[in-house]
Amino acid sequence: QKEVEQNSGPLSVPEGAIASLNCTYSDRVSQSFFWYRQYSGKSPELIMSIYSNGDKEDGRFTAQLNKASQYVSLLIRDSQPSDSATYLCAVNTGNQFYFGTGTSLTVIP
Amino acid sequence: DVKVTQSSRYLVKRTGEKVFLECVQDMDHENMFWYRQDPGLGLRLIYFSYDVKMKEKGDIPEGYSVSREKKERFSLILESASTNQTSMYLCASTGGRLWETQYFGPGTRLLVL
Repeated sequence: QKEVEQNSGPLSVPEGAIASLNCTYSDRVSQSFFWYRQYSGKSPELIMSIYSNGDKEDGRFTAQLNKASQYVSLLIRDSQPSDSATYLCAVNTGNQFYFGTGTSLTVIP
Repeated sequence: DVKVTQSSRYLVKRTGEKVFLECVQDMDHENMFWYRQDPGLGLRLIYFSYDVKMKEKGDIPEGYSVSREKKERFSLILESASTNQTSMYLCASTGGRLWETQYFGPGTRLLVL
């Protein structure tokens, strides 16, 4: 079982809709959680980090963490074509940093 | 802002060549990392360093070595390049705790012929 799993997609949503990206992780002692956005041919850039259960909002982005279910998600409200990218989930277990393989998101104008 | 730079965006080398990839960060970060990224496999850790002259193997160190002579610079060396090392190479750094928010350089896309 992989440490971090994401649905590879592709996920397509119309412009203005909510995009929901999901991630599960296997190590219960995982401490911090991150979402990165990666445009094609570019390097990952940090969107959000979350450390405790619940929701964390930053502009159009909301990260949700449920440690009991070992689940972290990213919601993108009012999706824009510029949000089209691959989204990587990453998890810090305290002695390693694991990335998922990413979910490809396409926002259709 | 954290700035991580890599010496080349694109590189073409021949099988058997020795290849040097350089990474420099300007935020006085203690920790630096080298990853490779391949379609369907995601990011895989090659080596990391938590201090000058200190290095640790990641998940896929075979065929690679690293050097960290100065705090701001972390080099990845392919001793004898092979075609299966064609990939996107990403350098990252973190300050403070080792496994915290990672900031990435722009990446080097390496093609080995």
